[in-house]
Amino acid sequence: DGGITQSPKYLFRKEGQNVTLSCEQNLNHDAMYWYRQDPGQGLRLIYYSQIVNDFQKGDIAEGYSVSREKKESFPLTVTSAQKNPTAFYLCASSPREGGYTFGSGTRLTVV
Amino acid sequence: AQRVTQPEKLLSVFKGAPVELKCNYSYSGSPELFWYVQYSRQRLQLLLRHISRESIKGFTADLNKGETSFHLKKPFAQEEDSAMYYCALVGFQKLVFGTGTRLLVSP
Repeated sequence: DGGITQSPKYLFRKEGQNVTLSCEQNLNHDAMYWYRQDPGQGLRLIYYSQIVNDFQKGDIAEGYSVSREKKESFPLTVTSAQKNPTAFYLCASSPREGGYTFGSGTRLTVV
Repeated sequence: AQRVTQPEKLLSVFKGAPVELKCNYSYSGSPELFWYVQYSRQRLQLLLRHISRESIKGFTADLNKGETSFHLKKPFAQEEDSAMYYCALVGFQKLVFGTGTRLLVSP
């Protein structure tokens, strides 16, 4: 059953801690993306990767980091430098010819 | 830079009324535009894309390059159409979204 999986569904973090959100896809897609979804602001692009071992900053990359060591995986680390990390995070992937598949999201709450 | 604008945060209509969700874009190249929908407690999913020119669930959208618009329309809204709708544009190898419009269809 092909798809894109985000884990965990809910995540709680203490202030000052780094936390990593997982995104895995078995669709053999080349590109992967991370978005942040906030009420009234839509989905904003954090980072994206078109190919393994390469990634680019999106519109709101500050306080986040990513890696793309494998085609299937694109983990996102929310660092302590991110001033307002509480949000819903969506991962997506797409093949070269286009079309995007989205994960079910991770809701991160800072406590 | 690419940008997508959805001017309405909320659109509230009665069942059977026509619906138009507005989307304007700015992009220097030839855009590829999409509408995505997110129903309550469900994943974001593709509704339609301008290159396919098809109608999905009664919705249509026409790309107007002169007005740089890609408005989403449906002649008769249904209660099950209530959801969050996002207009999106692919440019420079990335997908950029508008802020979204919540459509609320009342009986």
